[in-house]
Amino acid sequence: EAGVTQSPTHLIKTRGQQVTLRCSPISGHTSVYWYQQALGLGLQFLLWYDEGEERNRGNFPPRFSGRQFPNYSSELNVNALELEDSALYLCASRSRDLRSNQPQHFGDGTRLSIL
Amino acid sequence: AQSVTQLGSHVSVSEGALVLLRCNYSSSVPPYLFWYVQYPNQGLQLLLKYTSAATLVKGINGFEAEFKKSETSFHLTKPSAHMSDAAEYFCASSNSGGYQKVTFGTGTKLQVIP
Repeated sequence: EAGVTQSPTHLIKTRGQQVTLRCSPISGHTSVYWYQQALGLGLQFLLWYDEGEERNRGNFPPRFSGRQFPNYSSELNVNALELEDSALYLCASRSRDLRSNQPQHFGDGTRLSIL
Repeated sequence: AQSVTQLGSHVSVSEGALVLLRCNYSSSVPPYLFWYVQYPNQGLQLLLKYTSAATLVKGINGFEAEFKKSETSFHLTKPSAHMSDAAEYFCASSNSGGYQKVTFGTGTKLQVIP
């Protein structure tokens, strides 16, 4: 079974630019979560999509946005990049099996560096 | 609202010594609980999960965790640390129900000293 895949693995941008990160969930998983992991700040919840809808949003400005496609893959868009956006962005997918609790499965992330 | 607290952002143990990483949860009803491990420049990997079937949960790589309702704890242990266990460990909780929100702890970095 293929795991969660994220692309690209590394990205270098400059301040003010825009970036799009991509995530393909495990086959059969309908929920996709996005997290930001900046140095020293732990895992910060960004967005949660399920069945194509945004279900929850973390405490991030509107320039962080995303969407989920009919095939359940997802994009995270960040506009007007700032230096503090430098981080590892992790995507996780999860089965929406109501009979038992299922864990999130993580990709290896996209390392975004802002110069 | 549910939350998890990990005591100790950094823990150091000698190779071969007991590993104990602490996690306490806060929830009005017992949640589902997880431990994840993150190696440098990688995503999080599931170590084990508690889903109320048994209070002692065995995971991968020799780790286990015990759910104690009276202490609202779910501490992670391993009898003998290996150098390869050096990583960051995250405790997480999830409420029951259809739309399940997952809350992560702040993480504990484990250093294994040879």
